[in-house]
Amino acid sequence: KNQVEQSPQSLIILEGKNCTLQCNYTVSPFSNLRWYKQDTGRGPVSLTIMTFSENTKSNGRYTATLDADTKQSSLHITASQLSDSASYICVVSAQTNAGKSTFGDGTTLTVKP
Amino acid sequence: EAGVAQSPRYKIIEKRQSVAFWCNPISGHATLYWYQQILGQGPKLLIQFQNNGVVDDSQLPKDRFSAERLKGVDSTLKIQPAKLEDSAVYLCASSFNQGATEAFFGQGTRLTVV
Repeated sequence: KNQVEQSPQSLIILEGKNCTLQCNYTVSPFSNLRWYKQDTGRGPVSLTIMTFSENTKSNGRYTATLDADTKQSSLHITASQLSDSASYICVVSAQTNAGKSTFGDGTTLTVKP
Repeated sequence: EAGVAQSPRYKIIEKRQSVAFWCNPISGHATLYWYQQILGQGPKLLIQFQNNGVVDDSQLPKDRFSAERLKGVDSTLKIQPAKLEDSAVYLCASSFNQGATEAFFGQGTRLTVV
């Protein structure tokens, strides 16, 4: 069964600090992995997309890494801002089954002043 | 370009009533998805359309949920009758084609069943 597990479930950090969110998956055969940011009351917005051949992708202060061998990904946030407070969702898609995506339950990040 | 539009943003109904949600995807996007997101969880796929055909509705509770995309553009998701456990955010997303690496989400409809 395809699964995506994220950790930690929630995280509180001080403004300006860095943090790293984890995503482990069992989706196979792997097609791509996406990180989304979901603000409260809004739909998810894509941060990064990585395919099998990519092991790192940056989007401003967000840097995602992918280890396809261990089936792990991380999202690193640098110099956090209050606006980074949100849920971060890891989504992994398979090559088969019309590219069906499996969603993690997200990590809720709270950045405090 | 305009994003995925959903309406209404919020809906409160009593159990056993019916409710409908509307979604207009990004122009030119062939694939449309409806997701249910319960508080504290990730979105769960309910149904996936490719143009006006259903690709995957394996997770749709067909005894009470129905969805259509008759002209292959906008879509409606209906619940009849609603149960308390249907309280959730219903998200619509679209992508250029199935298997596309990126899907774009609407803001969702927050449903509360009382």
